[in-house]
Amino acid sequence: QKEVEQNSGPLSVPEGAIASLNCTYSDRGSQSFFWYRQYSGKSPELIMFIYSNGDKEDGRFTAQLNKASQYVSLLIRDSQPSDSATYLCAVEYMDSNYQLIWGAGTKLIIKP
Amino acid sequence: SAVISQKPSRDICQRGTSLTIQCQVDSQVTMMFWYRQQPGQSLTLIATANQGSEATYESGFVIDKFPISRPNLTFSTLTVSNMSPEDSSIYLCSVPRTGTSTDTQYFGPGTRLTVL
Repeated sequence: QKEVEQNSGPLSVPEGAIASLNCTYSDRGSQSFFWYRQYSGKSPELIMFIYSNGDKEDGRFTAQLNKASQYVSLLIRDSQPSDSATYLCAVEYMDSNYQLIWGAGTKLIIKP
Repeated sequence: SAVISQKPSRDICQRGTSLTIQCQVDSQVTMMFWYRQQPGQSLTLIATANQGSEATYESGFVIDKFPISRPNLTFSTLTVSNMSPEDSSIYLCSVPRTGTSTDTQYFGPGTRLTVL
């Protein structure tokens, strides 16, 4: 069973604090991991992708990957109200055909 | 990044009817994906549409219910046939970044479908 698990939230974080979003997956062979942001009523947009163990930073966003523990996380520093959205984790599963498995998303609320 | 448009942006339909959703990309891409996102839920892949071949459907989705056309490298349609209220959802098309590989996906704005 291919699964990508996320806490549905909502996760409430004060403005200026660090928001930490987590995602676990079940396929040890997965190689590519993506974080998408989806505002209410809008389509998903890519925030970050990560392929290697460790941290990857892009501005206020840091993706962390731990393949041994099969989790990937997204940290948002200096959280802003505009960061309030649903964050979707997507994992590419190694299969005979391409398959991107999506988590259900975590709703993040940044409180001013 | 690819610019993707979808038509219609939303529609309200009667049960038993069919709706065809169009997806237009501003560049040529080999692979296009069709997703469904039901209220409050994540994305579910319906099928992969490759130009020049039959679409590949995911488990739980069949061609008779969701026929797909892919006449060229920039355009695809998804038809939702014999609709029921359970088909009420947002339908999204997407394309991979490089156009041919399994990579970052760019999404269209979506089609919000309500079936009465």
